[in-house]
Amino acid sequence: DGGITQSPKYLFRKEGQNVTLSCEQNLNHDAMYWYRQDPGQGLRLIYYSQIVNDFQKGDIAEGYSVSREKKESFPLTVTSAQKNPTAFYLCASTRGRDSPLHFGNGTRLTVT
Amino acid sequence: EDQVTQSPEALRLQEGESSSLNCSYTVSGLRGLFWYRQDPGKGPEFLFTLYSAGEEKEKERLKATLTKKESFLHITAPKPEDSATYLCAVRVGNDYKLSFGAGTTVTVRA
Repeated sequence: DGGITQSPKYLFRKEGQNVTLSCEQNLNHDAMYWYRQDPGQGLRLIYYSQIVNDFQKGDIAEGYSVSREKKESFPLTVTSAQKNPTAFYLCASTRGRDSPLHFGNGTRLTVT
Repeated sequence: EDQVTQSPEALRLQEGESSSLNCSYTVSGLRGLFWYRQDPGKGPEFLFTLYSAGEEKEKERLKATLTKKESFLHITAPKPEDSATYLCAVRVGNDYKLSFGAGTTVTVRA
């Protein structure tokens, strides 16, 4: 079955450490996204990529970095510069502009 | 600035008690409005896409409608398994991005 795999499901880090969240898709989708979800707030876009080796900042990119070296993979690094990194992180992909986003099941990051 | 507002924030229903959720948007050049269902600890699951005013889509007990300023998600005779957070999102113009509302959390009691 095609889908989006995010790993790990839960991640714990100490403040000041960088951490990388994995996102892999086997849907053959060109575009991939990272969203952040906090309680009581809508999903907020961190970064997105329309094609391999290209990506754009979303609304809250500060303190995050991404790479898109392969079509299937879009890892997100949460750096020590991100002031409030504890959140639920969602990766998504889509076939095109008129298609819905398909989401993974998220990674819950806790930084203490 | 484009905005998506969902109301109410939370909705508690008795099993069988029909109701509607609202998603209002202030965007220009709407390319699509999307409804998702999200269960606790999971990623959002796609329900519907609506592209133009007057359009309606149905799936089991859910029906989504679209006007020029808002969309409604009607839940007819809900069951406890319909309990979830329902999210709406809009795509504007040639953008690949989706902008999301904060969601409505629906709880259906047996």
